[in-house]
Amino acid sequence: DSGVTQTPKHLITATGQRVTLRCSPRSGDLSVYWYQQSLDQGLQFLIQYYNGEERAKGNILERFSAQQFPDLHSELNLSSLELGDSALYFCASSGFGQTDTQYFGPGTRLTVL
Amino acid sequence: DAKTTQPPSMDCAEGRAANLPCNHSTISGNEYVYWYRQIHSQGPQYIIHGLKNNETNEMASLIITEDRKSSTLILPHATLRDTAVYYCIVRANNAGNMLTFGGGTRLMVKP
Repeated sequence: DSGVTQTPKHLITATGQRVTLRCSPRSGDLSVYWYQQSLDQGLQFLIQYYNGEERAKGNILERFSAQQFPDLHSELNLSSLELGDSALYFCASSGFGQTDTQYFGPGTRLTVL
Repeated sequence: DAKTTQPPSMDCAEGRAANLPCNHSTISGNEYVYWYRQIHSQGPQYIIHGLKNNETNEMASLIITEDRKSSTLILPHATLRDTAVYYCIVRANNAGNMLTFGGGTRLMVKP
C-alpha cells in the first residue's frame, strides 16, 4: 500500500460526458501528479500540482483539467469524453525535493462507451 | 531527460537472481536512475533509485556502471510475484520532476 488513494476504482460512462477522478496524496506530500496509461500510448505524464499550484504540464488535452485543493487532495476533470479517453488514470504524490520519490495510487479505470 | 533502452522481455527461474539491464548512454551528471515495476494493471511501484553508487534495499539492488551509461536491477531471489513490467527511468533534476516511462522489460518468473 503506497498511501496514495484514488476513487473511484472503475468508471463507465458515455461519449460526450464529463467525469471527475479524485486523488488523496500520502500524508505530508505536497506534490500530486496525474498520469494516463492507454494501450497504445503507455504511461504518460499529464500534469503536476504542488501545494495547490500547477507546476508542470505534459500531454494533457484541453478537455482535461485538474486542481489541487487546500487539503492537498486533487481532482482530474475529463470532459467531452471520447472513446480514446478510455484508459487507466494514475495519481502519484511526492515531497518537494528534487529527488523526492513518486508513489503511485492504484488507479482509476475509465471506460468510455 | 535522457532516454533509456531496455530489452522488451526476459524470463527468470523462480528462486534465481533476475538481472534486468538498462542502457542510458546520454545520462547527464545530475540525473538519477529510477526503477519502478507494474504488476498487471496496478499502479507503478517504486523499487529503488541511485545517482552514482550502487544501492540496495529490501526489494532489490541497483548496480550503476562507473561511466553511468548503464545500470542493472537485481532481484536476488525472484518469486512468481515478481512477474511484472520493470521500468528504468532517468529523471532530470528540475522543477518538473515528472517521470517519463518507456516500454520497460516484461519479466516473467517461471516455476
